[in-house]
Amino acid sequence: GAGVSQSPSNKVTEKGKDVELRCDPISGHTALYWYRQSLGQGLEFLIYFQGNSAPDKSGLPSDRFSAERTGGSVSTLTIQRTQQEDSAVYLCASSLGGGSSYGYTFGSGTRLTVV
Amino acid sequence: AQKITQTQPGMFVQEKEAVTLDCTYDTSDPSYGLFWYKQPSSGEMIFLIYQGSYDQQNATEGRYSLNFQKARKSANLVISASQLGDSAMYFCAMREGLAVRQFYFGTGTSLTVIP
Repeated sequence: GAGVSQSPSNKVTEKGKDVELRCDPISGHTALYWYRQSLGQGLEFLIYFQGNSAPDKSGLPSDRFSAERTGGSVSTLTIQRTQQEDSAVYLCASSLGGGSSYGYTFGSGTRLTVV
Repeated sequence: AQKITQTQPGMFVQEKEAVTLDCTYDTSDPSYGLFWYKQPSSGEMIFLIYQGSYDQQNATEGRYSLNFQKARKSANLVISASQLGDSAMYFCAMREGLAVRQFYFGTGTSLTVIP
């Protein structure tokens, strides 16, 4: 697609429920990233995928968070047993590849509210 | 130590004036890239400008320029002839090395352009 697509754009869920957030990167982009942005805060790195390599999960805040990327394209971020502190905007980004000159293209984010 | 430091939580500028948003970074890797992103109230992250660590000249993109002072490890964003539409959060980010790696983001500067 022309840009990074994320769905849903907004999600309200009850505490304790599981949620799945989806990211469809730009076609041909081999690298995919998930970030979290809490209200008034900067971006917190969660996880990234590069091609067929094992993902870097070093930013996942707890074992309730997991992500997968199928076929080197679409990615799903899953949060189990959601807590109120999980409320944030979850941003997905993709880039053409490695190297420090490659910038990200971000999606519009999923605003998650846990009530 | 913080990888990216933005010390100005909020800035005001008169319309048509120039404004400088500060960013300092910390890395021991000789190869890195520096980026600025704009995040309007709608939430999307918009790429503005990139500076590579080996670039000899300061990057410019339209009204945006990056004042790169390598020895001081600073990468300030200069916006010339400010417009009302420039009101947004601005994030400085860094990517280290040659492999695909996460970006490190600062905490952002909120810019308000006054008519």
